[in-house]
Amino acid sequence: QSALTQPASVSGSPGQSITISCTGTSSDVGSYSRVSWYQQHPGIAPKLMIYEGSRRPSGVSNRFSGSKSGNTASLTISGLQAEDEADYYCCSCSSSDTYVFGTGTKVTVL
Amino acid sequence: VQLVESGGGLVKPGGSLRLSCAASGFPFSNDWMSWVRQAPGKGLEWIGRIRNKIDGGTADYAAPVKGRFTISRDDSRNMLYLQLNSLKTEDTAVYFCTRLNDKDASDLWGQGTMVTVSS
Repeated sequence: QSALTQPASVSGSPGQSITISCTGTSSDVGSYSRVSWYQQHPGIAPKLMIYEGSRRPSGVSNRFSGSKSGNTASLTISGLQAEDEADYYCCSCSSSDTYVFGTGTKVTVL
Repeated sequence: VQLVESGGGLVKPGGSLRLSCAASGFPFSNDWMSWVRQAPGKGLEWIGRIRNKIDGGTADYAAPVKGRFTISRDDSRNMLYLQLNSLKTEDTAVYFCTRLNDKDASDLWGQGTMVTVSS
């Protein structure tokens, strides 16, 4: 099972919006609504930001939103803030009762 | 509400190790649980998951670890385990245990435990 493809890095200025893509195949992202997104700051465990494609856990800012079209899922961060600088990973259910993570995207706030 | 991993360390190639994950603050027996690892400077990699007993208590694994790693649970102790056998240098990573919600997302993570496989 190959990792889902994410851009290595995305950057934006404070207040701007950025979008991170997560491209899979018809065996994972394209077939399942259960795509999740995680934020990871250096040296800290990941934190769930989005699940089931577009749902936010309690406590996660509404500046984070998710969507999916075909084999590609997306995470949008609006009103970019310094604290959003981190690594972001997508994850999808896959065939054979497995999961697959994305390659990860480093978000830089300029 | 937390997960605390332990049991990591330095082990030689071909060796074995058992990681533990202590759950507290939530009804552990109701939940599906998983293990995720992260090699130094690399991304997250899903290792496997175990269902709750009501759903059969069985486990699924990623291809790179299938046949070498085994996930188990002791609901009476609120403990999750990962048995690592036939370890390879490429298994060197921080290992996280996670709780899976009903939408297959890891909504709770432990702090991780480091496993180093080296001669």
